[in-house]
Amino acid sequence: GQNIDQPTEMTATEGAIVQINCTYQTSGFNGLFWYQQHAGEAPTFLSYNVLDGLEEKGRFSSFLSRSKGYSYLLLKELQMKDSASYLCAVIYNFNKFYFGSGTKLNVKP
Amino acid sequence: EAQVTQNPRYLITVTGKKLTVTCSQNMNHEYMSWYRQDPGLGLRQIYYSMNVEVTDKGDVPEGYKVSRKEKRNFPLILESPSPNQTSLYFCASSFRRAGPVPYEQYFGPGTRLTVT
Repeated sequence: GQNIDQPTEMTATEGAIVQINCTYQTSGFNGLFWYQQHAGEAPTFLSYNVLDGLEEKGRFSSFLSRSKGYSYLLLKELQMKDSASYLCAVIYNFNKFYFGSGTKLNVKP
Repeated sequence: EAQVTQNPRYLITVTGKKLTVTCSQNMNHEYMSWYRQDPGLGLRQIYYSMNVEVTDKGDVPEGYKVSRKEKRNFPLILESPSPNQTSLYFCASSFRRAGPVPYEQYFGPGTRLTVT
């Protein structure tokens, strides 16, 4: 399988900004997704990047560098409800998805 | 309401007893997929289907079967379950926004399977 690497856990303070990094193997790459998963729930879609650059969606932004095999998810103005796991997923060869093991974000008051 | 449904939500079974987990979506999506989620390993793709009667192996297909006879349904079959198939299973469906790549996946609520 393909290796998708992201940090296991991060802690940040309410109101702050946090960046979650993801690295992946570039061969066969067709796009990168970020999902949010609260404990005991299904993942929900946050963002999609296929071209280099930044995609902004409200408090959340995602960046992609295809040549470096690197992406990050930026969360601004953190709220307590942002405490969740954030999953980086890459689609290869048009149909196969590989997920990182997820980054558990703890937001503290 | 647009959704992906899975049944059952929880299942405890014994080694070797065949079981089927159903998955259905009401969004007319072409692409459907099954994943298992285990602590520390993340989501791993078991099988996917690009359309009716078109299925292919994901990263961890051993011990599983699927079929796609209708667009809305994509059941996961465990012919002879073993304890190492104890896991949380998610079904997902997706459309193609532009080009051949599936876009946002909609996930079902999950099925927690325990094989003793």
